[in-house]
Amino acid sequence: EIVLTQSPGTLSLSPGERATLFCRASQSVRSSYLAWYLQKPGQAPRLLIYGASIRATGIPDRFSGSGSGTDFTLNISRLEPEDFAVYYCQQYGTSPQTFGQGTKVEIK
Amino acid sequence: EVQLVESGGILVQPGGSLRLSCAASGFTFTRSVMSWVRQAPGMGLEWVSTISGGGDSTYYTDSVKGRFTISRDISQNTVFLQMTSLRADDTAIYYCATTSYYYGSGSYWEHWGQGTLVTVSS
Repeated sequence: EIVLTQSPGTLSLSPGERATLFCRASQSVRSSYLAWYLQKPGQAPRLLIYGASIRATGIPDRFSGSGSGTDFTLNISRLEPEDFAVYYCQQYGTSPQTFGQGTKVEIK
Repeated sequence: EVQLVESGGILVQPGGSLRLSCAASGFTFTRSVMSWVRQAPGMGLEWVSTISGGGDSTYYTDSVKGRFTISRDISQNTVFLQMTSLRADDTAIYYCATTSYYYGSGSYWEHWGQGTLVTVSS
């Protein structure tokens, strides 16, 4: 199965700063079938990005995704208070679909 | 508005059985692929099982094959996960999720329920 490794494990930033999260796959992700989710404590995950770079419905444009092959990036241009959470990447191009272990974005 | 409401999670002994339900509303149920994704306490997300819109195709992660069965009832707009031979490592919040697109190998999940907690312990 494809193993997704997210880095860093924790990102300590202040509101208004830019966040860059990474997701590296153990083998190439077919057709850039990669998604990003945000999860706040006690809540279900929320889809942010699919197809590596397509924002889901209702997701603000401060979130952007990029990458292909084995290396993918999620950028948050200016952190809002509601963006502090755990972020997961997921590949769905090869069965079984798999998730990364998560990156926590915390308030500095 | 899309709504997914899970139920059925309880404390069960190892080796026991349980059936989870996910009641869906706010979208065309028969056109949507449905899945269960779980999250062990303090851990990340793990895909468990998927069922096609028509219910004719099902998929499972290796660790639950032969123990879990996913099904759907169109008349009730509900998806089920029948879980048998439960083990301690099945302890998790089980989320129901849905998408309009399935790529054969998986999909991204557009809408999620709030989850139901399954605890396997003696």
